[in-house]
Amino acid sequence: ELKVEQNPLFLSMQEGKNYTIYCNYSTTSDRLYWYRQDPGKSLESLFVLLSNGAVKQEGRLMASLDTKARLSTLHITAAVHDLSATYFCAVDITGNQFYFGTGTSLTVIP
Amino acid sequence: KAGVTQTPRYLIKTRGQQVTLSCSPISGHRSVSWYQQTPGQGLQFLFEYFSETQRNKGNFPGRFSGRQFSNSRSEMNVSTLELGDSALYLCASSLAIGEGRNEQYFGPGTRLTVT
Repeated sequence: ELKVEQNPLFLSMQEGKNYTIYCNYSTTSDRLYWYRQDPGKSLESLFVLLSNGAVKQEGRLMASLDTKARLSTLHITAAVHDLSATYFCAVDITGNQFYFGTGTSLTVIP
Repeated sequence: KAGVTQTPRYLIKTRGQQVTLSCSPISGHRSVSWYQQTPGQGLQFLFEYFSETQRNKGNFPGRFSGRQFSNSRSEMNVSTLELGDSALYLCASSLAIGEGRNEQYFGPGTRLTVT
């Protein structure tokens, strides 16, 4: 069974700092997605990574994919309070069957 | 373009009852997937429908079932509810254009509480 692990599970960081969330998965896939979830809300798509070496950036967030290492990272640059949320990575190996990571709960402290 | 809609948004049921949840995908999207989200188990895949056929199924008991209609709308049913079925049920739709990009767009979810 495919396993998708994220770390850290909880992250508390000060505004202005940088940090990276890691997403490891246990089987071959070149389709990885990052989502954001605010408390009590649904999932919002952040990034779609479809090949080895893919890098996407949006504002203070940058995601990358290394399919050989089965690793994706979500890098946060100069964090701001609005980035506080839970971040999920998801791997798709069969087409429309997403395996989600455990989630990383991010709190940005002023 | 309207997003994915789910009804009802909140539901309270008693153990042993059954429940039906509904999902309307984004116009033009032919694939609908269902997920269960709980604090303990996280986000787990239930099943996926495409053109009225179940293509993928997660590791859930037969009490969980679903269907898709010709207009791509989908319903999921849970029979003989258990306390552990209390969760947020999320529906997602995608274009399902083959092996390429299958970005899923999620609805607001149905919060089911079983008492």
